[in-house]
Amino acid sequence: DGGITQSPKYLFRKEGQNVTLSCEQNLNHDAMYWYRQDPGQGLRLIYYSQIVNDFQKGDIAEGYSVSREKKESFPLTVTSAQKNPTAFYLCASREDGRKNQPQHFGDGTRLSIL
Amino acid sequence: AQKITQTQPGMFVQEKEAVTLDCTYDTSDPSYGLFWYKQPSSGEMIFLIYQGSYDQQNATEGRYSLNFQKARKSANLVISASQLGDSAMYFCAMRPWDSNYQLIWGAGTKLIIKP
Repeated sequence: DGGITQSPKYLFRKEGQNVTLSCEQNLNHDAMYWYRQDPGQGLRLIYYSQIVNDFQKGDIAEGYSVSREKKESFPLTVTSAQKNPTAFYLCASREDGRKNQPQHFGDGTRLSIL
Repeated sequence: AQKITQTQPGMFVQEKEAVTLDCTYDTSDPSYGLFWYKQPSSGEMIFLIYQGSYDQQNATEGRYSLNFQKARKSANLVISASQLGDSAMYFCAMRPWDSNYQLIWGAGTKLIIKP
């Protein structure tokens, strides 16, 4: 079955540590996204990528980094510069082309501070 | 600035009743798209329905329909014959005219279906 796989489901970060969240898709989608969701709130865009080897900052990119070396993969690194990383992180992908194409989401990763 | 507003933080609805979730948007774009997503407690975001600003008819998808009132800039989601499994967060999102890629998200409405 085609879909988006995020791992791990739960992640704990120690002070001063970088952690990487994995996102893999087998939908052959060109565009991929990372969102942050805080309790009781909507989604905020961290980074997005329209094509391999290219990505753009979203609204809250500070303290995060990404790479897009393969079409299928869009990992997110939460760096030690992100002082409040506790949140639910969602990865999404979207088929290029028609504007009515929705974003498809993974199951998310919950990140907490130890 | 473009914005999505969902004015109902939470709603309780009796099972089998219809429910309307409100969404208003603010844009001056000539063309845009509106999406609704469902987020169960498990966390995944599930696409429900899409409405394009120039679509002649209101979108429908099974028990979901969109009450799209362009002049009022509203795109309310209607769920008919609600079921216990409809209990979830519901988000409205807008794709601006100049973007094939980005969405502007509302804060969501928590819907609880009572048996």
